[in-house]
Amino acid sequence: QQQVKQSPQSLIVQKGGIPIINCAYENTAFDYFPWYQQFPGKGPALLIAIRPDVSEKKEGRFTISFNKSAKQFSLHIMDSQPGDSATYFCAASMGVYSGAGSYQLTFGKGTKLSVIP
Amino acid sequence: DTAVSQTPKYLVTQMGNDKSIKCEQNLGHDTMYWYKQDSKKFLKIMFSYNNKELIINETVPNRFSPKSPDKAHLNLHINSLELGDSAVYFCASSQRDRGNYGYTFGSGTRLTVV
Repeated sequence: QQQVKQSPQSLIVQKGGIPIINCAYENTAFDYFPWYQQFPGKGPALLIAIRPDVSEKKEGRFTISFNKSAKQFSLHIMDSQPGDSATYFCAASMGVYSGAGSYQLTFGKGTKLSVIP
Repeated sequence: DTAVSQTPKYLVTQMGNDKSIKCEQNLGHDTMYWYKQDSKKFLKIMFSYNNKELIINETVPNRFSPKSPDKAHLNLHINSLELGDSAVYFCASSQRDRGNYGYTFGSGTRLTVV
């Protein structure tokens, strides 16, 4: 059972465009929603994250929009550049802000973004 | 000064062999993880571990076992390797109480079983 559904699988945009990647989740206990960027041959790197009590968060050219009632969140990349070409993963976890010990991230299946010069 | 380092980066081995992948983090984090990334890039949790608990994903075969000699290391041992074990394995770490809840991942170990 996939708990975080991500779309599209791949995305091609021209430089300067605004790619949007969408994710939907099922488990209302999730309380932490990060996005990761992965370049070929590298590990995923944290880009930006949001809590469910916030509707939008912006860091540089990256923005997360969060719709708690719809159980959906999305990543927008403003003024996209060829260097943004990578695979992007959304993820979710529960119990992040309470308790102790580990918290496991459940990942979406990834979106391969290509930004054409 | 790599934060999470894994060795080896590439591992090619025959079916039936036993192998280990090492992971070390110098971030002072208290929790470490192993993830498997398959050929379709899907990332799936295998283990999470801190000094108090080991959580094993129920789908992980018992041929896989994590071993932690200390807080900074979490190694992955794999017995009787099978073709389906071929994947990229990522180690990661986190620290809950530092305000940044994201994982820090290593660069991965590409395991090929022939």
